[in-house]
Amino acid sequence: DIQMTQSPSSVSASVGDRVTITCRASQGISSWLAWYQQKPGKAPKLLIYAASSLQSGVPSRFSGSGSGTDFTLTISSLQPEDFATYYCQQANSFPLITFGPGTKVDIK
Amino acid sequence: EVQLVESGGGLVQPGGSLRLSCAASGFTFSSYAMHWVRQAPGKGLEYVSAISSNGGSTYYANSVKGRFTISRDNSKNTLYLQMGSLRAEDMAVYYCARDLGYSSSWYNYFDYWGQGTLVTVSS
Repeated sequence: DIQMTQSPSSVSASVGDRVTITCRASQGISSWLAWYQQKPGKAPKLLIYAASSLQSGVPSRFSGSGSGTDFTLTISSLQPEDFATYYCQQANSFPLITFGPGTKVDIK
Repeated sequence: EVQLVESGGGLVQPGGSLRLSCAASGFTFSSYAMHWVRQAPGKGLEYVSAISSNGGSTYYANSVKGRFTISRDNSKNTLYLQMGSLRAEDMAVYYCARDLGYSSSWYNYFDYWGQGTLVTVSS
């Protein structure tokens, strides 16, 4: 299986900060990567797919980049509603889809 | 409005069986592949299974292969997950999710999720 790692595992930030989360795949996955946001007790929400495509309805402060093994999710100006856990997911090796362990973004 | 509503979770003994359902509304259910994803309490997300829009193709994670069966009834707009030989490590919130792709296109990204149903495996 393709292993996904994320760094950092948690980050403390303030409203207005620029936040960057990194996801790395254990082998190349081209651009088959998505990012999800999950708040406590809620289902995940799709933010980015195909590494850099913004899902409909998602604010433009979210952006994704990367290909191959290294990917980045950037929140350009953190808003109060963005405090959550973020997961990356690779879709290259279907059905052996795997998620990263998550990055928790909390209030500084 | 797209809605996915899971049901059928509960307490089951190790080795037991359970069937989860996911009722879909607000979109043409028969045009989308569907997936199950689970999350153990306090843990990350784990992919479980997928089924094509017409039900003709099914896929499973290695951890559930041979024990779980995914199916769908497009006349009832409902997705199912039949779980058997349940183990402690199957305890999780189970989410159904819609594939981002339409008709015969599979993207294997999940654009709509249900609220989840909790499966507890304990004696």
